[in-house]
This record gives sequence, structure tokens and C-alpha cells, in this order.
Amino acid sequence: DIQMTQSPSSLSASVGDRVTITCRASQSINNYLNWYQQKPGKAPKLLIYVASSLHSGVPSRFSGSGSGTDFTLTISSLQPEDFATYYCQQSFNIPRTFGQGTKVEIK
Amino acid sequence: QVQLVQSGAEVRKPGASVKVSCKASGYSFITYGITWVRQAPGQGLEWMGWISTYNGNTKYAQKFQGRVSMTADTSTSTAYLELRSLRSDDTAIYYCARDDVAEDDWGLGTLVTVSS
Repeated sequence: DIQMTQSPSSLSASVGDRVTITCRASQSINNYLNWYQQKPGKAPKLLIYVASSLHSGVPSRFSGSGSGTDFTLTISSLQPEDFATYYCQQSFNIPRTFGQGTKVEIK
Repeated sequence: QVQLVQSGAEVRKPGASVKVSCKASGYSFITYGITWVRQAPGQGLEWMGWISTYNGNTKYAQKFQGRVSMTADTSTSTAYLELRSLRSDDTAIYYCARDDVAEDDWGLGTLVTVSS
């Protein structure tokens, strides 16, 4: 199975900050990398697919980049509604493994 | 709009089975597969498997092979997840999601509690 490792596991940030979360795959996954946001008690929501494509309805402050093994999710200006846990997921092969999550908390 | 409506919470004893349903609406059911993901209390997301709603083909995570079955009823646009020989560490929220390039729409989840 492909292992997905996110860093950091958690971070504290203020409204308006630029936030970057990284995700590393244990082998090349081309650009088959997705990002999800999950708020407490809610189902995950798709933010970014195939590394850099913004899902419908997702604010443009979210962006994704990377290919091969190293990927990044960036929130250009953190908003109050962005405090949540973020997961990366590879869709290169089966099983479609997730990273362990990055919790973004209020500073 | 796309909706995935899951069945209600379940409580089972160790060794029992559970079957969770996921009724889709707002799109052509057979056009997209259904993925099942679970989340244990306070833990991350775990991909369990996928079913093609077009022809019933399935792909399961090795961890669940032999214990899991995913099916789809095209007449009612409903997907099912059955997990057998339940253990306490199967206690989790089980999500279905529509599978396109990624899991782009999710159900609200079904809590399955395994306790003696």
C-alpha cells in the first residue's frame, strides 16, 4: 500500500494567515492526489482533486500543487470557517489511502 | 442536487454482522461508483473499498477481504456495505461517497457501535 504522510499533524494560525500543509507519498503517484476538509461531526468535503483542480464551489483561496511524491495544500488567507482537519488521499491505486490528517486550529 | 442518504445508527455485538445502506439521488446512479470510508472515534479516514454501480465489480482494501461485501441495487439507486465478524475496533462512522476522479459527494455517515 502507498503510505501518505502529512505535515504538520496540527498547526495554530490566525485569521488572514497563509497556511501550507504538505503531503508526501511513499512512491510516485503522478498527480493523483486529492485534498478533503472535515469539520467536527461532519462528513469530509472534497476541496482539490488531481493535485491542483479546485472542486466546484470551493473558494479560490484554496489551492493545490505538486506531482510525483510531494504535494502542497495552501490556504492563501485563512478564514474563520477554515478551521478544520485536512486530509490528503492518493487515487493512483488501490487502496486509496489517506494521510493521517492536519488539524488547523485558531491561534 | 446530489444526495447520499445513509441508514441509521446500528449497535451490534462482537461476532455479528451489519449492513449499511446508501441511497443516491440527483444523478444517474450507474454513472459513478460508490466508495466506502470509515472513521473510528477520534481517528482519521480509512478507505474500505469501492463498487462499480454499473456492473457490480468491487475492489476491497486487503484489510477487509473476506469480511466485507459491497453491493448495489440499481432499481432503487442504493448501495450497501456489509461487514461481518464484527470486533470492537470496527466501531466507527461509515461513510459512502460518490466516486468520480475523487470522492466528490458524501453521505452524512452511519455510526456502527460494536459492544458486548
